[in-house]
Amino acid sequence: DTGVSQDPRHKITKRGQNVTFRCDPISEHNRLYWYRQTLGQGPEFLTYFQNEAQLEKSRLLSDRFSAERPKGSFSTLEIQRTEQGDSAMYLCASNPGLGQSGENIQYFGAGTRLSVL
Amino acid sequence: KNQVEQSPQSLIILEGKNCTLQCNYTVSPFSNLRWYKQDTGRGPVSLTIMTFSENTKSNGRYTATLDADTKQSSLHITASQLSDSASYICVVDELRTDKLIFGTGTRLQVFP
Repeated sequence: DTGVSQDPRHKITKRGQNVTFRCDPISEHNRLYWYRQTLGQGPEFLTYFQNEAQLEKSRLLSDRFSAERPKGSFSTLEIQRTEQGDSAMYLCASNPGLGQSGENIQYFGAGTRLSVL
Repeated sequence: KNQVEQSPQSLIILEGKNCTLQCNYTVSPFSNLRWYKQDTGRGPVSLTIMTFSENTKSNGRYTATLDADTKQSSLHITASQLSDSASYICVVDELRTDKLIFGTGTRLQVFP
């Protein structure tokens, strides 16, 4: 257990439905990242937060995707009007951030596996 | 073309044997090169992290090497165990953006 928790672990939904995932990072970590991983591929960056500020969004993050980190602690990733191509593992990671002590290691959660039928 | 390429795609070895996984990257400039282990259905777990100026880093039976001139890295696993069966992902930190660029991984299976 890395200390990063994600909920739910699995989500099955019908095409067109909205889904929301939650990530609780390690409590003292300022940075929080979302990645998407499809079968047989490495994770692909989606977006990241420095505290509550969303600093970067990948072009992979279409307008159907939105992420928030309202209080600089937990984060949510919402997908609206899901499509079959959204089926993937969604991973969250956190690290202490720039200027913090310790190696710049990103600690990953176990992921939320989304299946869109 | 992926900026981080790994080989082989998959590997099968017998328990107790050693193996070496390769990573070639084109990300430049970069700040760190990392190796992660990912068990099926789990998130990646950090094994090693090397700055651009380091040549080697060990973590138990795992030893990573880095040649920044040839843009190559390797992960050597000694005396493999059944629990080493996983995907091993090479990751490069892009210096300008502080973004992690992931390889597609090498799927290792260790059989008794």
